[in-house]
Amino acid sequence: DQQVKQNSPSLSVQEGRISILNCDYTNSMFDYFLWYKKYPAEGPTFLISISSIKDKNEDGRFTVFLNKSAKHLSLHIVPSQPGDSAVYFCAASAPRYGGSQGNLIFGKGTKLSVKP
Amino acid sequence: DTGVSQDPRHKITKRGQNVTFRCDPISEHNRLYWYRQTLGQGPEFLTYFQNEAQLEKSRLLSDRFSAERPKGSFSTLEIQRTEQGDSAMYLCASSPYRSVNEKLFFGSGTQLSVL
Repeated sequence: DQQVKQNSPSLSVQEGRISILNCDYTNSMFDYFLWYKKYPAEGPTFLISISSIKDKNEDGRFTVFLNKSAKHLSLHIVPSQPGDSAVYFCAASAPRYGGSQGNLIFGKGTKLSVKP
Repeated sequence: DTGVSQDPRHKITKRGQNVTFRCDPISEHNRLYWYRQTLGQGPEFLTYFQNEAQLEKSRLLSDRFSAERPKGSFSTLEIQRTEQGDSAMYLCASSPYRSVNEKLFFGSGTQLSVL
């Protein structure tokens, strides 16, 4: 049973517009969430993270929103650029409750295509 | 910061053969992780080390798999008697472990194909 779900396998956005990638989780013990970006033939690259004590974290063009009651988080990219085209993975962990730090549970990913 | 290095990048082997992969973490990162990623899936945790101690192993890590980090620096992952189901990308990651919430730095992975 998937604990972290990314229900959209793909997303296509026009350059300059907003990209919104969604992620749902089922385990209420998760308290730290991360987004990774992955280009073909490369390993995942850390993008942004958020702790459960916050509901928003911003880093440049990237903002992550966390809705704990809905067990939902989203990644906003504004403005989207062609170089953002990649697979985006949502990941979660539960370090404060004895979950192994680094034992990240990943979603299946969403492939973002930003068209010029 | 030279990043996490994995060798080889690609490995093709026949079913039943043994394979070994190597990972060099970012220097001074005391935590090292192994993940596996199959097509259409996200990375799945296999095991991790803090320095030379292997602290956790996933149930995905059958007894044909063994990982070592003998001096707390590089690590090896060995798969014995490979099966076609072992075909996947094997990812190594490291972290400095300075806080409870850590981000992992991944290498480019070793793509294993078992024929």
